[in-house]
Amino acid sequence: KQEVTQIPAALSVPEGENLVLNCSFTDSAIYNLQWFRQDPGKGLTSLLLIQSSQREQTSGRLNASLDKSSGRSTLYIAASQPGDSATYLCAVRRRNAGNMLTFGGGTRLMVKP
Amino acid sequence: DTAVSQTPKYLVTQMGNDKSIKCEQNLGHDTMYWYKQDSKKFLKIMFSYNNKELIINETVPNRFSPKSPDKAHLNLHINSLELGDSAVYFCASSQVSGGHGTYNSPLHFGNGTRLTVT
Repeated sequence: KQEVTQIPAALSVPEGENLVLNCSFTDSAIYNLQWFRQDPGKGLTSLLLIQSSQREQTSGRLNASLDKSSGRSTLYIAASQPGDSATYLCAVRRRNAGNMLTFGGGTRLMVKP
Repeated sequence: DTAVSQTPKYLVTQMGNDKSIKCEQNLGHDTMYWYKQDSKKFLKIMFSYNNKELIINETVPNRFSPKSPDKAHLNLHINSLELGDSAVYFCASSQVSGGHGTYNSPLHFGNGTRLTVT
């Protein structure tokens, strides 16, 4: 059974700081890993998707890395802004599990002006 | 020009009732999903469906059933609602291709339906 854990559960930082969010998963037989953000009362917005053959993906100030063998992914946010405040979720798509994703519990990020 | 849209946004109903939540996607994706987010904000897959197969998470009670009139729609029907069904339900879609679904495009989510059972 795949389990996905995100640390920390909550994080508060001053504006401008660089930060790292962590995601770990127990079963390394995955197709891909995806990072999302969720704003209060809203759905999830896809940020980055890393296929199992890739080691990282970048989009603007965001960089996600994947180390499949150790079951870890990190989301790096550079020069954080108050608009980055949201809950960040990682999800893995496991082989032999259809097309379904297993989500972590999320990291609630607050960026203070 | 919403990619994945769900209706209604809020649904308040009494125990024992039957209700449906509708979902439509205009992305041309071949696979749609239903997720449940509980009070602790944990997201769990309920169903994955494309025109070939329905995959059900074994923890989902059989009171829940997805119904797909066509490729762009996947509605969620719930019978005999219980208090514990109160949650936010999210619809999502993606494009899956390759042998054994080896490629999966990023999931696109709807904004959710907040269901309250009283």
